[in-house]
Amino acid sequence: KAGVTQTPRYLIKTRGQQVTLSCSPISGHRSVSWYQQTPGQGLQFLFEYFSETQRNKGNFPGRFSGRQFSNSRSEMNVSTLELGDSALYLCASSFTGEKLFFGSGTQLSVL
Amino acid sequence: AQSVTQLGSHVSVSEGALVLLRCNYSSSVPPYLFWYVQYPNQGLQLLLKYTTGATLVKGINGFEAEFKKSETSFHLTKPSAHMSDAAEYFCAVSDADGNKLVFGAGTILRVKS
Repeated sequence: KAGVTQTPRYLIKTRGQQVTLSCSPISGHRSVSWYQQTPGQGLQFLFEYFSETQRNKGNFPGRFSGRQFSNSRSEMNVSTLELGDSALYLCASSFTGEKLFFGSGTQLSVL
Repeated sequence: AQSVTQLGSHVSVSEGALVLLRCNYSSSVPPYLFWYVQYPNQGLQLLLKYTTGATLVKGINGFEAEFKKSETSFHLTKPSAHMSDAAEYFCAVSDADGNKLVFGAGTILRVKS
């Protein structure tokens, strides 16, 4: 069974641009969550989608958004990028909600 | 609000020695507690989880953790460290749905030969 796949693996953008990250969950998993990991703030929850609906949301500005498609694949979008958005963005999928399976992440660098 | 405190950002042990990584949590509801491991340039892998029931939880790779409600602790232990255990370890807490995790700051484990 394939694991959680995140693309791209690395991304370099400049301030003010927008970016879209993609996540393909494990087959059969309907819940997808996104986390931001930075050296200063650690791991922080962004949002969670289940059956195309946002079920939970963390404390991030509206520049951070996401969506989930009918095949459970998810995308997250960050608009008007700031230097502080540089981070490893991790996607996790789950079936029951008690056990998350994480992807390897997308490393975003904002210059 | 839930929170997690991991004591010690870096822990160094000799190969074969006991590993003890400390985690204290704060939660207003019965918590779900987790330990995750992250190897360099990789995502997180679940080591073990506590939901309800037995307070001593066994996980993968020989790790275990004990839930102590009176101490609000969930420390991770392994009797004998192996070089391959060198990684960063995260303690996390969630409410009942388990999908919104609150992580601790992480502890980097170094294993000396």
